[in-house]
Amino acid sequence: ETGVTQSPTHLIKTRGQQVTLRCSSQSGHNTVSWYQQALGQGPQFIFQYYREEENGRGNFPPRFSGLQFPNYSSELNVNALELDDSALYLCASSPGASSNQPQHFGDGTRLSIL
Amino acid sequence: GENVEQHPSTLSVQEGDSAVIKCTYSDSASNYFPWYKQELGKRPQLIIDIRSNVGEKKDQRIAVTLNKTAKHFSLHITETQPEDSAVYFCAAGDNTGFQKLVFGTGTRLLVSP
Repeated sequence: ETGVTQSPTHLIKTRGQQVTLRCSSQSGHNTVSWYQQALGQGPQFIFQYYREEENGRGNFPPRFSGLQFPNYSSELNVNALELDDSALYLCASSPGASSNQPQHFGDGTRLSIL
Repeated sequence: GENVEQHPSTLSVQEGDSAVIKCTYSDSASNYFPWYKQELGKRPQLIIDIRSNVGEKKDQRIAVTLNKTAKHFSLHITETQPEDSAVYFCAAGDNTGFQKLVFGTGTRLLVSP
């Protein structure tokens, strides 16, 4: 069974740039959620994708957007990067979209904004 | 919206002792409570979860208890080992129709040999 994989592992950008992060879900999982984890804090929910549609969103501005593909992999796009966007971005997949399905995380992408 | 508080922020125990981490949540609609272990530089790893129709769940040295009336849930680790050292996060998921987990602020557990 293949777990959740994310790429790249590390990324350095400057303010105002745009970034795309990628996630491959665990085999058999059709739902992907993205979280932002600032240093020393718990993950914060960005949004969730199910059947290629965004079906839930946290308190993040529209410059955070995403996609899910037919193979259930997903992308997180962030435009107009700000210094506060520096964080670990985690992708989690689950076997369904209902609220009590277990979510399994990837290793994350550490994004640094200079 | 949901808010999850977690205590203590740090916990130091001797190997073989028990460790207890406590969380409270604010939204009575929350119905799913997972616990994650995150070692330095690694992914959060799901170690145990409990749903609102169950009061207690156990998996070897790890147990979770839920008190829906008080909106409390706790993680209990018995016979702690140095490899249990990590940051532990509790989370709550509500019944909004999608999977938004709200996480606590984490507990750094240090188990000394």
